[in-house]
Amino acid sequence: DSGVTQTPKHLITATGQRVTLRCSPRSGDLSVYWYQQSLDQGLQFLIQYYNGEERAKGNILERFSAQQFPDLHSELNLSSLELGDSALYFCASSVGANSPLHFGNGTRLTVT
Amino acid sequence: AQKITQTQPGMFVQEKEAVTLDCTYDTSDQSYGLFWYKQPSSGEMIFLIYQGSYDEQNATEGRYSLNFQKARKSANLVISASQLGDSAMYFCAMSRWEETSGSRLTFGEGTQLTVNP
Repeated sequence: DSGVTQTPKHLITATGQRVTLRCSPRSGDLSVYWYQQSLDQGLQFLIQYYNGEERAKGNILERFSAQQFPDLHSELNLSSLELGDSALYFCASSVGANSPLHFGNGTRLTVT
Repeated sequence: AQKITQTQPGMFVQEKEAVTLDCTYDTSDQSYGLFWYKQPSSGEMIFLIYQGSYDEQNATEGRYSLNFQKARKSANLVISASQLGDSAMYFCAMSRWEETSGSRLTFGEGTQLTVNP
């Protein structure tokens, strides 16, 4: 158990809808990262938050947004969903500099 | 930009034998971190081992060791005494050296390891 909690585990929704993925980092970890894993794109970094502030942005679509709350949990919002957004979405956390990322079990999103 | 290359899409090994999974990287950074992760068929990403670019000794964690050759820009994972439960996808990743906030990882495409009984 990595200590990172992601909910829900599975999500099935229709095109055009909006969903929210939730992540609770490990106790003491200030950084939260979101990754998307798909068969054709591999593991793609989306966005990083550190202590509530956006720290780095990767290949995140404009239809996607995220935030980190004062209690350090984070949410990833995906809107106007398309079939191609179907993927495994991971949240990870780290304590800080030069430390490994610990991943949650992921949310498997299926857009129909 | 950082880039990770894993040239072995699939590897097979007999139970109880050792196996080496290859990883080469490209970066212009002087300071960086190298990581290996395991992803079983159930989907979770499990951290295995870490090597800092300034670490002179190769990292070791139980049956896992990282063969770090800085001049060749390689960071191969060695698994000794393979077990059936080692069958999984293995990802090599690297990060920039960050002072405070931690750094995102860049992942390779992965190597699917199958351990045969």
